[in-house]
Amino acid sequence: GAGVSQTPSNKVTEKGKYVELRCDPISGHTALYWYRQSLGQGPEFLIYFQGTGAADDSGLPNDRFFAVRPEGSVSTLKIQRTERGDSAVYLCASSPQPPGLAGNEQFFGPGTRLTVL
Amino acid sequence: TQLLEQSPQFLSIQEGENLTVYCNSSSVFSSLQWYRQEPGEGPVLLVTVVTGGEVKKLKRLTFQFGDARKDSSLHITAAQPGDTGLYLCAGDTGSARQLTFGSGTQLTVLP
Repeated sequence: GAGVSQTPSNKVTEKGKYVELRCDPISGHTALYWYRQSLGQGPEFLIYFQGTGAADDSGLPNDRFFAVRPEGSVSTLKIQRTERGDSAVYLCASSPQPPGLAGNEQFFGPGTRLTVL
Repeated sequence: TQLLEQSPQFLSIQEGENLTVYCNSSSVFSSLQWYRQEPGEGPVLLVTVVTGGEVKKLKRLTFQFGDARKDSSLHITAAQPGDTGLYLCAGDTGSARQLTFGSGTQLTVLP
């Protein structure tokens, strides 16, 4: 079966531009997470969806970042007016169950490497 | 603020050696997970520990959760080049709805 897929794998953009990053979770997984990973660091939580709704968006750094999951499957992370500091690998993960249950495993995609020039 | 501190940050050893990686925090976690990440890939779950003092073994890897559920260690016996990668610990506080990751340990095993 297919794992979590993310597109594009690489995205180079100019400062001030708008970008969209897509995540296709594992079929049937209700929970979906977005993380950001800078070089030499562990992933940093951005937002968590349970179904179609954003259950926790406390990790979004500012209002330039927004994410949607309109049908409870595919999710899109949107970044407006990109800045050089937004350059990082953006990881998506999905899980068959909500967080808080012991042993809840998150399955990660390969990430999208975003470079803002 | 990094809730989970991992040490060492970098580790380079020869094939066949043993090593231990540490994950420490001042916070209590309801569970703690260890992941391994290779370049260009997302992290892959190795193990989840839930009970304080718990020890889990996965072939040559031994994971331990501290009694107070604030720290954990990963011990690898007779390391192989295929063990090379970024090892990440991640904690679940139970009240938050997401994992908090450590900064990672980059392990290189030389043949």
